[in-house]
Amino acid sequence: NAGVTQTPKFQVLKTGQSMTLQCAQDMNHEYMSWYRQDPGMGLRLIHYSVGAGITDQGEVPNGYNVSRSTTEDFPLRLLSAAPSQTSVYFCASSYREFNYGYTFGSGTRLTVV
Amino acid sequence: SQQGEEDPQALSIQEGENATMNCSYKTSINNLQWYRQNSGRGLVHLILIRSNEREKHSGRLRVTLDTSKKSSSLLITASRAADTASYFCATDAPRNTPLVFGKGTRLSVIA
Repeated sequence: NAGVTQTPKFQVLKTGQSMTLQCAQDMNHEYMSWYRQDPGMGLRLIHYSVGAGITDQGEVPNGYNVSRSTTEDFPLRLLSAAPSQTSVYFCASSYREFNYGYTFGSGTRLTVV
Repeated sequence: SQQGEEDPQALSIQEGENATMNCSYKTSINNLQWYRQNSGRGLVHLILIRSNEREKHSGRLRVTLDTSKKSSSLLITASRAADTASYFCATDAPRNTPLVFGKGTRLSVIA
């Protein structure tokens, strides 16, 4: 099993550009989340999903959109990139409820200039 | 908002020594989890302890949970250079919402 796959691994965007960070898992996990990690801030939740067709906002959702059309995929869209969105983004999935161990992707390092 | 807070923020020890990291949290939990993150990599799940458990072991890892003090500790025994990483505690929020992570403890194990 590949686990959780995130693409791309690195990306540089100009302010105002949009892009989609991809996340795919092959473990048939229903629960998926997006976090961002900034120095000294730990991980902060952006959006999450408890199953196909169901998404909800986390702690820092502004400037991001998500959709969950299939169990496997949970893309994160940056609508109009800003320097404040420079961060490392992690996708994570979990079997059944969120209070099981998470499997994390390897992350996408995004720089907005 | 952070639920868990790890202490210390950074820890440096010699290979072979034990490393202890602590986590305090604010509200009632169903379970608490510990994760490791090597530099530039994703987080890896280490261990989960439920609120009705007081201690759990996994290899060289020992986790304790004191719900009356709202705190947990992670002990790594006989540390190795490969244990150098950041360690995060995470707690479950209300049911069916994702884990909330602390800011982590950076552990350096010097050979």
